[in-house]
Amino acid sequence: GAVVSQHPSWVICKSGTSVKIECRSLDFQATTMFWYRQFPKQSLMLMATSNEGSKATYEQGVEKDKFLINHASLTLSTLTVTSAHPEDSSFYICSAITKQPEAFFGQGTRLTVV
Amino acid sequence: EDKVVQSPLSLVVHEGDTVTLNCSYEVTNFRSLLWYKQEKKAPTFLFMLTSSGIEKKSGRLSSILDKKELSSILNITATQTGDSAIYLCAVEGGSEKLVFGKGTKLTVNP
Repeated sequence: GAVVSQHPSWVICKSGTSVKIECRSLDFQATTMFWYRQFPKQSLMLMATSNEGSKATYEQGVEKDKFLINHASLTLSTLTVTSAHPEDSSFYICSAITKQPEAFFGQGTRLTVV
Repeated sequence: EDKVVQSPLSLVVHEGDTVTLNCSYEVTNFRSLLWYKQEKKAPTFLFMLTSSGIEKKSGRLSSILDKKELSSILNITATQTGDSAIYLCAVEGGSEKLVFGKGTKLTVNP
């Protein structure tokens, strides 16, 4: 089946720095990718829809200047958490949609801001 | 290695039928099990289960967790064509990551 690779799996950064998370579709082209955030004991919350070659569509309440999304190619979307703060510590996960359509999820990234 | 297995992979039924989707898991330090419905866009959340034996219901959908059997089922009664989708099961374990199953593709024919 299709594979979505997310990198890094774990990242610890200092408050005020920026962190980039990559999401790659390894064996298919994904015109659309989704970025989620999970809070403790809650389900995944959709942050934004990333479309190749155009601006991402952010869900209500998600700061687009803080969570920069770039979908520069059909196989890569990146999420950059800018000026990270401890409250940004969370589990971030991406998914990519195939033409069928089916969704495949990355392994997720555990971000800890200290 | 944490693992989530869903069955069946694909299911075709007629409107009005009742379906049961299965999810079994092997995770270290189980925390929760989640069900999602995935259509053409981002998967939508259905249920989060943390306790064994407590049924959660939402309209025609219901789900229950069996920690002893390391499994969960998702029931859909009186199916409609709008229920056609891929149903995803995910489990959060001790690694604090979500592990997804491959999904069950449900097709409901008129």
